[in-house]
Amino acid sequence: DQQVKQNSPSLSVQEGRISILNCDYTNSMFDYFLWYKKYPAEGPTFLISISSIKDKNEDGRFTVFLNKSAKHLSLHIVPSQPGDSAVYFCAASENTGFQKLVFGTGTRLLVSP
Amino acid sequence: DSGVTQTPKHLITATGQRVTLRCSPRSGDLSVYWYQQSLDQGLQFLIQYYNGEERAKGNILERFSAQQFPDLHSELNLSSLELGDSALYFCASSSQGLQSTGELFFGEGSRLTVL
Repeated sequence: DQQVKQNSPSLSVQEGRISILNCDYTNSMFDYFLWYKKYPAEGPTFLISISSIKDKNEDGRFTVFLNKSAKHLSLHIVPSQPGDSAVYFCAASENTGFQKLVFGTGTRLLVSP
Repeated sequence: DSGVTQTPKHLITATGQRVTLRCSPRSGDLSVYWYQQSLDQGLQFLIQYYNGEERAKGNILERFSAQQFPDLHSELNLSSLELGDSALYFCASSSQGLQSTGELFFGEGSRLTVL
């Protein structure tokens, strides 16, 4: 049972344009959501997060939007840069006091010059 | 550099064998997590330890076991290996105590190939 789904395995965007990566979840107990970025031969690195009490969180070029009623979140990257080319994982957790992140399968973003 | 160290980086072994993957968390982090990433799959949570005690268990097979030692390093033991166990195994750590911050720091992973 995939509780966190990233239905687009890949996305291609031109440099300077907006990249929108989507993520859906099924567990209504999730209350904290994160995006991780992964380059080849490296471990995932934390990018941005949002708690369920917010619907938007912004950090520089990266903005995460959360729609709780639709159980949907998205990551916007504006403007996209070639260095953003990586696999992006959406993750979610319940606030149990001890973190257990449930990850999606990832979306491979390719930003071309 | 996340500060999380995993060894070995690559490991090739045969079916039926046993291997041990090792993880040193970031300095000061008490929690260690193990994740498995098979081909084209997301990261599957295996198990979490906090200060030497098991705290959460995911889809970890009975053939797999883990522990966290007093110096906080952790080992993941995989036995009676099957072809399907071939995967990237990630260790992550966090500083959380009873409050969750959500951010995990991942090592570079150990790539296990079972032939």
